Amino acid sequence: QVQLQESGPGLVKPSETLSLTCTVSGGSISDYYWSWIRQPPGKGLEWIGYISYSGSTYYNPSLKSRVTLSEDTSKSQFSLKLSSVTAADTAVYYCTRGSCSGGGCYSGPSKWYFALWGRGTLVTVSS
Amino acid sequence: SYELTQPPSVSVSPGQTASINCSGDGLGDKYTSWFQQTPGQSPVLIIYRTIRRPSGIPERFSGSSSGNTATLTISGTQAMDEADYYCQAWDSVTVVFGGGTKLTVL
Repeated sequence: QVQLQESGPGLVKPSETLSLTCTVSGGSISDYYWSWIRQPPGKGLEWIGYISYSGSTYYNPSLKSRVTLSEDTSKSQFSLKLSSVTAADTAVYYCTRGSCSGGGCYSGPSKWYFALWGRGTLVTVSS
Repeated sequence: SYELTQPPSVSVSPGQTASINCSGDGLGDKYTSWFQQTPGQSPVLIIYRTIRRPSGIPERFSGSSSGNTATLTISGTQAMDEADYYCQAWDSVTVVFGGGTKLTVL
């Protein structure tokens, strides 16, 4: 059974860079979308960005200038870096796997869905 | 930027049908996913491609859409269905979530 596990510091100082890694166990990292989604305490879900099966990256326009996603297929990991963090970046960060079935999957992302989520990791931005 | 709008809260009596709407421009022409989230837990996919239900999700959960609105319907709502529900769609290559709806089973 495929599982996702987020890891990284739980506390980051303002203006520094938040770095998280998602380790995929029990399955391949190929042929899926890999995404980061966050949730500030008591608030809703916010998409951060994803790496597609072809290696292309797409980011939330509101975070694009500060976000970098990467993957290491040899380690079955993908990573998030968010620079110049503030208290507003305090959130539970989830890594997720996008899947597709039923045809038409490689004509664009619209048919992909996030069926598998990690448990999430709380990152607090504070001095 | 594309936006999805959900009511902040919906209440339902046990055994009744709950409907949660999600509205966005042309949403009926897009695929919508729905997620259920209980306190302290990760979101769980309960509907994808607007109407499809992943294996293991009870049949009382169903999805539909028309025009600018997608709807999650829970038939015979149970106390265990009390949770936050989020809709999600794609706007070209970007992912958009609705603000979430808290379902209360009274």
